[in-house]
Amino acid sequence: GNSVTQMEGPVTLSEEAFLTINCTYTATGYPSLFWYVQYPGEGLQLLLKATKADDKGSNKGFEATYRKETTSFHLEKGSVQVSDSAVYFCALTGYNNDMRFGAGTRLTVKP
Amino acid sequence: DTEVTQTPKHLVMGMTNKKSLKCEQHMGHRAMYWYKQKAKKPPELMFVYSYEKLSINESVPSRFSPECPNSSLLNLHLHALQPEDSALYLCASSQEPWANVLTFGAGSRLTVL
Repeated sequence: GNSVTQMEGPVTLSEEAFLTINCTYTATGYPSLFWYVQYPGEGLQLLLKATKADDKGSNKGFEATYRKETTSFHLEKGSVQVSDSAVYFCALTGYNNDMRFGAGTRLTVKP
Repeated sequence: DTEVTQTPKHLVMGMTNKKSLKCEQHMGHRAMYWYKQKAKKPPELMFVYSYEKLSINESVPSRFSPECPNSSLLNLHLHALQPEDSALYLCASSQEPWANVLTFGAGSRLTVL
């Protein structure tokens, strides 16, 4: 079945550091790929998405590129802020539209 | 209105109680979902409703009973739960069943004593 594997962390960075959170996937066909963010005590918010190979999703300074050849969708941000502290989930949807999440990566950004 | 609203935010219940979680959206979305999220774990899909009909049931125990009274409402009826059912229950919706961007509610945190 479809699945997502992401680095579990936790990840601790200083403000303005470069962020990479790795995500790889296993899927039949051509899944859509997502990054969701969950702030403490809240539900999940869509951060960015990509629906086909070589698409780049971007939002709030975060980027991820759909790489079919490496089955990856790594999340990057050039300069993190304290307000980016949250849990980040990589996810995919397959042909029947059920969304599967990775384990989540907790990011803490220190001033 | 671009929100999914879940009530209650917190619920404590005994193993013999019957309670319900409620989810509401007024975005005209035609697919609604229940997810269960244990602490420090990803959300796990429980149920999917498409056009008010149950389309996916991920082998969830019968002590969880979903209901979709209309296109804006989704309920999760709880009966005879176990302590291990304690979790954050997330509702989500999407414009169409095949439009795969989900909008999530803030969740209902359930504690079973």
